[in-house]
Amino acid sequence: EAGVAQSPRYKIIEKRQSVAFWCNPISGHATLYWYQQILGQGPKLLIQFQNNGVVDDSQLPKDRFSAERLKGVDSTLKIQPAKLEDSAVYLCASSFDLAGGREQFFGPGTRLTVL
Amino acid sequence: SQQGEEDPQALSIQEGENATMNCSYKTSINNLQWYRQNSGRGLVHLILIRSNEREKHSGRLRVTLDTSKKSSSLLITASRAADTASYFCATDRAGNMLTFGGGTRLMVKP
Repeated sequence: EAGVAQSPRYKIIEKRQSVAFWCNPISGHATLYWYQQILGQGPKLLIQFQNNGVVDDSQLPKDRFSAERLKGVDSTLKIQPAKLEDSAVYLCASSFDLAGGREQFFGPGTRLTVL
Repeated sequence: SQQGEEDPQALSIQEGENATMNCSYKTSINNLQWYRQNSGRGLVHLILIRSNEREKHSGRLRVTLDTSKKSSSLLITASRAADTASYFCATDRAGNMLTFGGGTRLMVKP
C-alpha cells in the first residue's frame, strides 16, 4: 500500500516569499491533517480536513497560512508571506476517517528553511 | 499549546535494557497514542490506549494509562539499537485531533 506522499522534501526561501506544499494521502482516507513540527518539539496540528471540508483550523495562522483540499483527495498548504519563525518540518497525515482512535499515517514531511 | 509532556526529555541506555518514558497531560481525553519518529521512517504510530483501559501490550511495548493522574507510561523491553528514536505521546480529546507532547529522545547503545 502506498503511503502518504509529500513534495517537495526540502525548500529554502527568503522571508516574505511565498511557498506551497503538496500532499497526497493514502487512497480511501477521508481525513487529512497538516502539522507543523519545529526542531526539538512535537508536531502541532494546523488544520484537519474531512473530505473537502475543514473540521478544525483553530491553530492555523490565517493571516499568512492557507490550505485547501478541493476534490477531497490531494491537499496544498501555502504560506504567504513567510517569516523566519515558519522554519519547520511540515507533516501531512491521513486517517480512514475522524472516528476516535483512528491511526494517523504520516508522510515524510517538507523541511522549510526561511532565511 | 502542547497538552502532553514527556519525561525524561532524553534517555540513554544499553542494548538489552528496558526503557521507560512517561507522559502527563492536562485535560480529559478519549484515548492516548504513542508515536515514534526517526530519520529513516518518519513518524509512525506505535500503540493506542483508550480512556477506559489501564494497560495494553504490543510486542515489546507496554503502555499504561492512569486517568486519575492524567499520566501514561511507555515501556520498551529488551531494547535494540533500532529503537533509537524520539517517542511522542499524543492525546485525542475529540474527532481524532491529536495534541502531541515534546517527546523523549531515546538512544540505545549497542
